[in-house]
Amino acid sequence: DTGVSQNPRHKITKRGQNVTFRCDPISEHNRLYWYRQTLGQGPEFLTYFQNEAQLEKSRLLSDRFSAERPKGSFSTLEIQRTEQGDSAMYLCASSLRSAGAYEQYFGPGTRLTVT
Amino acid sequence: SQQGEEDPQALSIQEGENATMNCSYKTSINNLQWYRQNSGRGLVHLILIRSNEREKHSGRLRVTLDTSKKSSSLLITASRAADTASYFCATDWYTDKLIFGTGTRLQVFP
Repeated sequence: DTGVSQNPRHKITKRGQNVTFRCDPISEHNRLYWYRQTLGQGPEFLTYFQNEAQLEKSRLLSDRFSAERPKGSFSTLEIQRTEQGDSAMYLCASSLRSAGAYEQYFGPGTRLTVT
Repeated sequence: SQQGEEDPQALSIQEGENATMNCSYKTSINNLQWYRQNSGRGLVHLILIRSNEREKHSGRLRVTLDTSKKSSSLLITASRAADTASYFCATDWYTDKLIFGTGTRLQVFP
């Protein structure tokens, strides 16, 4: 049973650089979510997809952030012109959205450090 | 922004004892879920309770929900060292967008 995978697991970058993270969901799952978690806090919703369509974006997702899910399989989250405030754990989750099924399966996360 | 808060923020107990943590939320909900997160890792789904349910059990876990007080509690009975983790409640309102609380850090000593 392959769970949600995320790459890279850790990323250190200098302020102003662009970074891209990848998430591979559980293969039969049609929904994919991105969350951001800072130290000592719960995850905060960023965006989610059903297949390749991006259905909702949080106001936390500034114009420096962009997410894609081409072909409805893996997803990428890109942050342009990184700032120190972007340092966080970026979590990806997937689900098989059917009647009454809300459980989301999370990946291990990508920890971003902006220096 | 966070939906609400878990209480206590941190809890330390001995193996075999019960652990109770509470979650308060701010707005109407459809479902409330509890997740566990081991240090620096992803979250694992534990249990889901719907807004029309009052209590739910899963193994050593018991969850209650009081929508009039906008609160939920998670009870872990006969705790084990492996239960050491952070526990989060998360709510939704007829969308897939989960709103998480701030978490309770549970430490279980052998």
